Amino acid sequence: EVQLLESGGVLVQPGGSLRLSCSASGFTFSSYAMSWVRQAPGKGLDWVSAISGSGDSTYDADSVKGRFTISRDNSRNTLYLQMNSLRAEDTAIYYCAKGSAAVRPYCFDNWGQGTLVTVSS
Amino acid sequence: EIVLTQSPGTLSLSPGERATLSCRASQSFSNSHLAWYQQKPGQAPRLLIYGASSRATGIPDRFSGSGSGTDFTLTISRLEPEDFAVYYCQQYGNSRTFGQGTKVEIK
Repeated sequence: EVQLLESGGVLVQPGGSLRLSCSASGFTFSSYAMSWVRQAPGKGLDWVSAISGSGDSTYDADSVKGRFTISRDNSRNTLYLQMNSLRAEDTAIYYCAKGSAAVRPYCFDNWGQGTLVTVSS
Repeated sequence: EIVLTQSPGTLSLSPGERATLSCRASQSFSNSHLAWYQQKPGQAPRLLIYGASSRATGIPDRFSGSGSGTDFTLTISRLEPEDFAVYYCQQYGNSRTFGQGTKVEIK
């Protein structure tokens, strides 16, 4: 059974930094792309960043480009999201999502339960 | 960026009725790379349909997807009580974008 467990969400001040983690199990982690998708309170889904199975290729939404960095450690079956220069509009539940393939194109066939990031002073 | 527009915003139906949800793209994208997700309150999204018309593992056959080009449809043939939720479409043929969602509520 695929399991994705996010951690690291907290209350942080504007301009601050945070690193989210997603621990994966139940599948061959390095064989699948992974993504972060966020959802602001009461709003819809918003894709944030993606990384290929090998980690060689990464992609970011324009809204986070230059501020967020996605990475993965295939030896630890863990996905990360380094978030810098945080803004109030980054407040959201952040979901870790497993891609349906190693490289594009892929949809998201499994999701974690999410971790809440709140950016506020 | 491809913009996906879902309609209607809210669909009020009774159990047993048929639900038809629309997703329209601002431009066409490759190979019908369109997915549908279901999200219930307090839960993560769940993949229902990929490739515009293929059901994901474990998804009941009352859910079906169709369409190509810029117009796609999710149909729930007979609504069960557990189907009342928010549904999102997503294109993954040209980067990745989600529609704004359609809420299916009990009438």
